[in-house]
Amino acid sequence: EAGVTQFPSHSVIEKGQTVTLRCDPISGHDNLYWYRRVMGKEIKFLLHFVKESKQDESGMPNNRFLAERTGGTYSTLKVQPAELEDSGVYFCASSQDQGLGDDNEQFFGPGTRLTVL
Amino acid sequence: AQKVTQAQTEISVVEKEDVTLDCVYETRDTTYYLFWYKQPPSGELVFLIRRNSFDEQNEISGRYSWNFQKSTSSFNFTITASQVVDSAVYFCALSEAVQGAQKLVFGQGTRLTINP
Repeated sequence: EAGVTQFPSHSVIEKGQTVTLRCDPISGHDNLYWYRRVMGKEIKFLLHFVKESKQDESGMPNNRFLAERTGGTYSTLKVQPAELEDSGVYFCASSQDQGLGDDNEQFFGPGTRLTVL
Repeated sequence: AQKVTQAQTEISVVEKEDVTLDCVYETRDTTYYLFWYKQPPSGELVFLIRRNSFDEQNEISGRYSWNFQKSTSSFNFTITASQVVDSAVYFCALSEAVQGAQKLVFGQGTRLTINP
């Protein structure tokens, strides 16, 4: 079974440009999460989808970030326009269930390393 | 608010030594989960363990062991007889149940280097 995949693995863009990150969750996982690690700090939650709906987007830093999950399958995270402080590693995770049950383990992808120059 | 602190930014030991990674957490929830993840050089986060707040039994899995103590809000991770392949960044995390979701709150990570 394929794990969570993310594309691209690396992206280098200039300040002011637009970048779109993609995440393909494990097949059948309704829950999809985005996290990011900036400048070697802790990994921080961005948002959570249940199928195509945004369950919690309290971690989104500002309106330059737009996440979508049309059809409830893969998700995209667009940063427009990108700023220097957006540099970091963006992780995607998926889980079968939500809440605190035993089937809610989040499986993480390899991350996308974003560098904004 | 939930918070996870991994005070050790970097640890470097010689192969075969035992090493303990510290994790201290803060939460007002009575029900929560604690996690450890490993991030090898390839970049992905690899799940190691999940422990719920009602189970304070220590766990051992091969060379890995975890010590959960609610009295000190700690969930420390020990690697016995370390190996070079254990070199990675290790993250401790706490689940925060918000509206039924499981939002993970991570510590800053500890970079562990095992030298041959």
